[in-house]
Amino acid sequence: AQSVTQLGSHVSVSEGALVLLRCNYSSSVPPYLFWYVQYPNQGLQLLLKYTSAATLVKGINGFEAEFKKSETSFHLTKPSAHMSDAAEYFCAVKVGGADGLTFGKGTHLIIQP
Amino acid sequence: EPEVTQTPSHQVTQMGQEVILRCVPISNHLYFYWYRQILGQKVEFLVSFYNNEISEKSEIFDDQFSVERPDGSNFTLKIRSTKLEDSAMYFCASSPEDYGYTFGSGTRLTVV
Repeated sequence: AQSVTQLGSHVSVSEGALVLLRCNYSSSVPPYLFWYVQYPNQGLQLLLKYTSAATLVKGINGFEAEFKKSETSFHLTKPSAHMSDAAEYFCAVKVGGADGLTFGKGTHLIIQP
Repeated sequence: EPEVTQTPSHQVTQMGQEVILRCVPISNHLYFYWYRQILGQKVEFLVSFYNNEISEKSEIFDDQFSVERPDGSNFTLKIRSTKLEDSAMYFCASSPEDYGYTFGSGTRLTVV
């Protein structure tokens, strides 16, 4: 069965600093990987997804993530944090043949002025 | 941009009552899903629906739950006899293929 681990339930960065949100997955077969963002009292918005094409995936709002098979990681980065990036971020994995996404517990990103 | 629409945004129901959560998926999508998120916890998969039948369900999706696509546009989740622990945010999602999910804004269900 697949699983997702997000290191750090809370991450705090200064405005303009690099954002790095960590995600490691466990899957016995090549996975599809996703990052979603959830703003307060809102639904889940897809930031980006990896579906076995390019390992460096660019998403919306300046975010990107790199699939590293050797490290079983799919960390999310953004070069320069903006106040509007403050939200909950979820990493998710899907294994072909399984319909549902398995989500991590989420990382709350705090942006300090 | 096309959206998945969920109604109502918030529902309060008494324990033991039946509740129906409604979703309008994106029109050309083929796969439909329900997920839930208990407050402060992670999002959990409940069920997927394809070609007018359930294609996969999690262990959470027991006999108290059912899904239906009654008219070709709506996709509903019914909880037959609600329990306090059913209180959660319920998300509907749809997909044109098996990995292009679009989520709705959710229905917050509060069981009292």
